[in-house]
Amino acid sequence: NAGVTQTPKFQVLKTGQSMTLQCAQDMNHEYMSWYRQDPGMGLRLIHYSVGAGITDQGEVPNGYNVSRSTTEDFPLRLLSAAPSQTSVYFCASTLAGENEQFFGPGTRLTVL
Amino acid sequence: QQPVQSPQAVILREGEDAVINCSSSKALYSVHWYRQKHGEAPVFLMILLKGGEQKGHEKISASFNEKKQQSSLYLTASQLSYSGTYFCGTRDRGSTLGRLYFGRGTQLTVWP
Repeated sequence: NAGVTQTPKFQVLKTGQSMTLQCAQDMNHEYMSWYRQDPGMGLRLIHYSVGAGITDQGEVPNGYNVSRSTTEDFPLRLLSAAPSQTSVYFCASTLAGENEQFFGPGTRLTVL
Repeated sequence: QQPVQSPQAVILREGEDAVINCSSSKALYSVHWYRQKHGEAPVFLMILLKGGEQKGHEKISASFNEKKQQSSLYLTASQLSYSGTYFCGTRDRGSTLGRLYFGRGTQLTVWP
């Protein structure tokens, strides 16, 4: 099993550009989440999904869109990148119920 | 609601003990603990559930006081490998499964 994979690992964008961060898992997990991590702020939930076709907002959803058409994939879209979105982004997945979250390796995004 | 962790940082010598605390202003159903090494993804340590059930590492202990909405992580006889940033994640009673709020982290450094 590859676990949770994220692409790309690094990305530099200009203000106003759009892009999609990819996340995939091969563990047949129902739940998937996107977090951003900024220095001193911990992990903040952006969006999460409890199954294909079902998504909901987390703490900091503004400027981001998600969709979940399959169990395996949960892409995060930045609609119009801003310098405030410079961060490290982690995708995580977990089995339904109260279980450990498996994190992907992260994507380091810089918006100039 | 982001839980509050204390202390923000701890410096230890090998073999010393440490306690990391996590508290919330909301009634909690569960508390998750993760450790993150620099430049890596968070890794699961354990989950404490309302009612006393625990899932996770046998060598790391933790407590969950449901009445006070507090959890503590106990690291005994610390090893160099314990160094990293520790995060607690909490799920409020009544919130959706899979929706975790993480604290800002406690940086633990163990010196030889």
